[in-house]
Amino acid sequence: DTGVSQDPRHKITKRGQNVTFRCDPISEHNRLYWYRQTLGQGPEFLTYFQNEAQLEKSRLLSDRFSAERPKGSFSTLEIQRTEQGDSAMYLCASSRSNEQFFGPGTRLTVL
Amino acid sequence: AQTVTQSQPEMSVQEAETVTLSCTYDTSESDYYLFWYKQPPSRQMILVIRQEAYKQQNATENRFSVNFQKAAKSFSLKISDSQLGDAAMYFCAYRSLLTEGNSKLTFGKGITLSVRP
Repeated sequence: DTGVSQDPRHKITKRGQNVTFRCDPISEHNRLYWYRQTLGQGPEFLTYFQNEAQLEKSRLLSDRFSAERPKGSFSTLEIQRTEQGDSAMYLCASSRSNEQFFGPGTRLTVL
Repeated sequence: AQTVTQSQPEMSVQEAETVTLSCTYDTSESDYYLFWYKQPPSRQMILVIRQEAYKQQNATENRFSVNFQKAAKSFSLKISDSQLGDAAMYFCAYRSLLTEGNSKLTFGKGITLSVRP
């Protein structure tokens, strides 16, 4: 299966620690998106890449968040000095046209 | 900014029956896409159906169809012959066509659909 994959699937960390998530998009998809989904809510847009260029960042993405997509392939999302409010599901999606294909997400729990 | 509203948090349907999930949205744009996504428990989100705003004809995908009312900014999903596998959270989503390239989605809060055997 060549769908979107995300690693890890679950992450538990202590407040103040740094965490990094990885997303591998569908091959040849030039667009990659990160969303955050909290319990009982729909996903909220965080940031968008077209190839290796990060073209848009949501105001939700504080200075503690950084995302990269080196060489326009996989992407990483890093959260520094995690806070309890960062606990959520982090979803990655990729697309080549109108449809976005989502990965299974990384569930982050900050204790 | 666009907003998507799903006012029903939960719905239930008997297996083999028909159910309609509601969605309204707010936008000042005339060209856009609307989507319904399904998110089964602990599984990834998948696209159910898509509607282009410039098309008057309502989209249909097998047992799934939409009622798109552009003037009323309403976009409901009808599931016919409901099956146990339809139980999931359903999200309505909006995509602007004005921002070149960035086709980010704006989601509603979702509705949890349960199917009674």
